[in-house]
Amino acid sequence: AQTVTQSQPEMSVQEAETVTLSCTYDTSESDYYLFWYKQPPSRQMILVIRQEAYKQQNATENRFSVNFQKAAKSFSLKISDSQLGDAAMYFCAYRSGTTGANNLFFGTGTRLTVIP
Amino acid sequence: KAGVTQTPRYLIKTRGQQVTLSCSPISGHRSVSWYQQTPGQGLQFLFEYFSETQRNKGNFPGRFSGRQFSNSRSEMNVSTLELGDSALYLCASSLAPGPGALNEQFFGPGTRLTVL
Repeated sequence: AQTVTQSQPEMSVQEAETVTLSCTYDTSESDYYLFWYKQPPSRQMILVIRQEAYKQQNATENRFSVNFQKAAKSFSLKISDSQLGDAAMYFCAYRSGTTGANNLFFGTGTRLTVIP
Repeated sequence: KAGVTQTPRYLIKTRGQQVTLSCSPISGHRSVSWYQQTPGQGLQFLFEYFSETQRNKGNFPGRFSGRQFSNSRSEMNVSTLELGDSALYLCASSLAPGPGALNEQFFGPGTRLTVL
């Protein structure tokens, strides 16, 4: 079974600084998708960024970028120029690309605090 | 386009009762997945529906069931409620299941169930 590990339960960053959240995963599949979701206090899960495993280029969405290391099974999220609105729980998630199943496997989350 | 809606947002029940939660996907989305979020177990996949058929099921007891209607709206039911069923229940919709990258899942705000 696929497992997703987030080893940092909590992280903090000064406003306008950069922070990196870590995620590792375990899978025997070669085709899969990785996601970072943000869950603010409102509890609404919001997709931040996604990465297709077959793409070597790291995904980027404005201030958010990933460092995808397929061989190491690592998928970290970098947030640049951190803003107060970035404070939230961040979940790393995996979805199979081979089984056709739509379900996501989530990590335990990292709570990000942004210090003004 | 309206997002995923879930009703009710909050629910309080007592042990032994049953509960039904509702999820309306984004217009045009035909796949609906349900997740349970608790502080202890994190985010866990419950089941996925597409075209009124359950495609995939997580590791939950038979007390948890669901269904999908012809308009893609979905309901989940929990019978004989236990204290441990207290959780945030999240619904996510996507265009269709399958390995394609377009199967981005969009989450609703969740239903907070408290079992007393």
